Amino acid sequence: GAGVSQSPSNKVTEKGKDVELRCDPISGHTALYWYRQRLGQGLEFLIYFQGNSAPDKSGLPSDRFSAERTGESVSTLTIQRTQQEDSAVYLCASSSRGYGYTFGSGTRLTVV
Amino acid sequence: AQSVTQLGSHVSVSEGALVLLRCNYSSSVPPYLFWYVQYPNQGLQLLLKYTSAATLVKGINGFEAEFKKSETSFHLTKPSAHMSDAAEYFCAVSDGDYKLSFGAGTTVTVRA
Repeated sequence: GAGVSQSPSNKVTEKGKDVELRCDPISGHTALYWYRQRLGQGLEFLIYFQGNSAPDKSGLPSDRFSAERTGESVSTLTIQRTQQEDSAVYLCASSSRGYGYTFGSGTRLTVV
Repeated sequence: AQSVTQLGSHVSVSEGALVLLRCNYSSSVPPYLFWYVQYPNQGLQLLLKYTSAATLVKGINGFEAEFKKSETSFHLTKPSAHMSDAAEYFCAVSDGDYKLSFGAGTTVTVRA
């Protein structure tokens, strides 16, 4: 596609429920990243995928968070048993050469 | 490991005045440096990037940044602020690998 597409754009969920966030990267971009942006704060790295290599999961805050990517296409970020502190904007980005990201518009997650 | 410090979480300027956003980096190797802008309720958009070519980099919307190795700085400037420049600005650094490290961001407000 022309840009990085994220869905849903907004998600309100009850505490304890599982949520799944989706990211469609730019076609041909081998690298895909997930970041979290809490209100009034900078970007927090979560996970990185590069081609068929093992993902870098070093930023995932707990074992409630997981992400998958099939080849060089869609990625899903799953948060299990959501907590209020998970409320944030989740941003996905892709790149073709490992630097200079193109970001999606994000998913705003609110846990009530 | 690389890191970025943005001086000033909030900058207020008058319309038509100079915009100056400060960014200092730390990197053990020659860095790649980036400025991103985030408008309300949108994802991040690349303003400009430095990748070891010219030290003065021109970006979109009249912004430019100068790489100063001796000062480990990459400050962003625009000669004349416009109301549409009101946004949050993020400086980021990469060591040429895949992951960007972002600063905490600077919010710019423009006074009429």
